[in-house]
Parts: sequence; C-alpha cells; structure tokens
Amino acid sequence: AQSVTQPDIHITVSEGASLELRCNYSYGATPYLFWYVQSPGQGLQLLLKYFSGDTLVQGIKGFEAEFKRSQSSFNLRKPSVHWSDAAEYFCAVGAEQAGTALIFGKGTTLSVSS
Amino acid sequence: DSGVTQTPKHLITATGQRVTLRCSPRSGDLSVYWYQQSLDQGLQFLIQYYNGEERAKGNILERFSAQQFPDLHSELNLSSLELGDSALYFCASSVVGLAGEINEQFFGPGTRLTVL
Repeated sequence: AQSVTQPDIHITVSEGASLELRCNYSYGATPYLFWYVQSPGQGLQLLLKYFSGDTLVQGIKGFEAEFKRSQSSFNLRKPSVHWSDAAEYFCAVGAEQAGTALIFGKGTTLSVSS
Repeated sequence: DSGVTQTPKHLITATGQRVTLRCSPRSGDLSVYWYQQSLDQGLQFLIQYYNGEERAKGNILERFSAQQFPDLHSELNLSSLELGDSALYFCASSVVGLAGEINEQFFGPGTRLTVL
C-alpha cells in the first residue's frame, strides 16, 4: 500500500533562513507527488506537484521540491523563509489503489522566528 | 480562492444526530473527493465521486454516506454521530483524465464539525 512519511512534526526556522521539509513515500509504478500548505483555519493550497520529467519542480511562493527515486524522497525547499510561510505543510502521493485519491502525510508545522 | 465551496463553515450538533455537508466543485471538475482531518488520524480520504457515480472508497464508516447530483455538487451525510466524529471535513475536486490518471486536487475551506 502507498504511504507517506513526514519525519518532522514541528520545525522552527529563523526568518530569512533556508528551509527543507522532508517527505518519504512508498509508491507503485508511477509516483504522483504533491506538496500542499494549510494556514490556520484555511483549506489546503497546492504548492507544487511532480508527475514525471524534470526531478526539480518549481512551485508557488518561491518553493521547490526535488524528486529522488533512489531515496524515495520528495523534499520541499525554500531558500529564504518569510514570516508568512508559517503554516502546516503536507506531502501527498496519488493512491493507485484508491481511484485517484491522495494519501497524505501527517504534516509538518513550520514556525518562523524573527 | 480554489473555486471549491463548502457549506456550512461550522456545525455543532449532539451525539446521535445526523448532519449533511455540502460541496460545490470547481466549474468543469467532474470528480469530487471527501476527506476527514482530525488531530489523531490526520487527513484521511473518505470517498470519491466521478460524474455522479461512486468511484473509490477510503476509510469511510458505514454511518457515513455521500452522493453527487446531476449538477455535480456533492453531499456528505453523517449519521448516528459520535464524539469521535468531530473533525474538519474537506471537499476537493479535480479534473480526471480519460485514462483515469491522477491530477492535482483543489480543496474547499472545509466544514468544522463539533459533536457534543
């Protein structure tokens, strides 16, 4: 069965510092990978997605993620964090055994210190 | 704004009751998904409808049911409510290709259900 692991429950980063959020997955033949962000009291917003092709994908708000098949990872990065990036971040994988639904990790809460 | 709307935003009810949550997908999206977000279980897929027909089931309880209407809006019905059903319920919609391939999903703002 497909699954997603986000090892870090909570991360604190100083404003202006770089960020990397980890995501490991198990998948079938074709990985469909996503990163979503959820601000307090809000729904989920898609940051970026990987279906195939270039393993480094660019998303909105200055985020990028790199797909590494050998490590089964899809880590999210941002070179310089802003206070408005404080939110919860979810990695998700397309669930081949469940139609086209997504399986989400438990999420990583990002706090930004000044 | 994702284009997916959900009503109501908040719902407070008592154990044993029945509630209905409503979702309108983005214009043109035929596929609707329901997810439950709770502190202990995280975000879990409940059920998917595609163009009016049930397409896939996840961890949906037998007390829960859903349907998608001809105008593509969807309703999630929760009955015999228990305290543990308190959660945030999200609806999402997506374009599903002819080959059934996975695509990005657009999420609504959610309905927060509190069972007292």
